[in-house]
Amino acid sequence: DAGVIQSPRHEVTEMGQEVTLRCKPISGHNSLFWYRQTMMRGLELLIYFNNNVPIDDSGMPEDRFSAKMPNASFSTLKIQPSEPRDSAVYFCASSSRTGGDEKLFFGSGTQLSVL
Amino acid sequence: DAKTTQPPSMDCAEGRAANLPCNHSTISGNEYVYWYRQIHSQGPQYIIHGLKNNETNEMASLIITEDRKSSTLILPHATLRDTAVYYCIVRSGNTDKLIFGTGTRLQVFP
Repeated sequence: DAGVIQSPRHEVTEMGQEVTLRCKPISGHNSLFWYRQTMMRGLELLIYFNNNVPIDDSGMPEDRFSAKMPNASFSTLKIQPSEPRDSAVYFCASSSRTGGDEKLFFGSGTQLSVL
Repeated sequence: DAKTTQPPSMDCAEGRAANLPCNHSTISGNEYVYWYRQIHSQGPQYIIHGLKNNETNEMASLIITEDRKSSTLILPHATLRDTAVYYCIVRSGNTDKLIFGTGTRLQVFP
């Protein structure tokens, strides 16, 4: 299995531009998570999906952030417009919800720099 | 979810056992203890988890006290590649959310 695949690995953009981060979960997994990591705030859970349905988006910082999961094999996290304070590493993770003690598998992350 | 308390940093000599403590005094009966680690610039990696009993796998052992208020992750023979931030997380079986704290930065030295 290729694991969780994220793209791009690095993204550099200018303030005000739209940014789209992509994630392909592990085949057969039915839960998907988006995290953000910064030095100041550590690892923060932004949103997660079960069976392609958003369950909890309470961690999404503001309306500039949106996430979609159109099917079981693909998810996007979009920032529009981007701001310098959005600079961080964004991780996607997936798991197979089988009874409460499942483990998360993380991708390699997308390093986002907003200038 | 119950909060956890971990020391911010620890050192360990290569080849020796690394024992990483975690306090979770407010843990509930249906909450699991998870350990993940994050090697620099990589995504977090699952290590082990448990509910009540001690657990062992190819990576580590997890010792949970009888009252479940604390646990210890044991890396039996630490290597330089085990240098990472180790996160102890308590999570209810009723939720999918995994909330990371600040973890313990383990430095393994030669």
